Amino acid sequence: DGGITQSPKYLFRKEGQNVTLSCEQNLNHDAMYWYRQDPGQGLRLIYYSQIVNDFQKGDIAEGYSVSREKKESFPLTVTSAQKNPTAFYLCAGSRGEGYGYTFGSGTRLTVV
Amino acid sequence: ELKVEQNPLFLSMQEGKNYTIYCNYSTTSDRLYWYRQDPGKSLESLFVLLSNGAVKQEGRLMASLDTKARLSTLHITAAVHDLSATYFCAVDNFNKFYFGSGTKLNVKP
Repeated sequence: DGGITQSPKYLFRKEGQNVTLSCEQNLNHDAMYWYRQDPGQGLRLIYYSQIVNDFQKGDIAEGYSVSREKKESFPLTVTSAQKNPTAFYLCAGSRGEGYGYTFGSGTRLTVV
Repeated sequence: ELKVEQNPLFLSMQEGKNYTIYCNYSTTSDRLYWYRQDPGKSLESLFVLLSNGAVKQEGRLMASLDTKARLSTLHITAAVHDLSATYFCAVDNFNKFYFGSGTKLNVKP
């Protein structure tokens, strides 16, 4: 079945540590996105990529980094510079304007 | 800055009742989407509205879009407990989505 696969489902980060969240898709979507969701709130855009080897910052990119070396993969690294990383992270893909997003199942990151 | 405002943020209603969730946005977009999120889960697409006057219906839910008023509504008819979830609207701005804060719906038996 086609879809967006995020892993791991739960992730624990120690203070000062970098962690990478995986997002893989087999839908042949050109565009991919990373969103952050805090409890009881909406989604905020971290980074997005419209094409391989290119990506742009969203509204809350500070403390995060991404890469897009392959169409299928769009990993997100949460760096130690992100002071409040505990949140639910959602990866999404889109096949173009007017088609909406397909979301992955999410990764819940907790700082311990 | 693009703003997307939903109201109400919380909605507790009895089964069998009708209610409407409102989504106002600040940009000139003619593409709006509604999603459902169950606790601890990801977002599930409900409706895609791509033009002024668009109306979509699925079961007890009906969504509409008025691009001139920059307003979308999600109407719930004869609510049932299974509709309890958080509902988000999202506005498409050059293929980037901006989400409202969500409306947490609790349908009581």
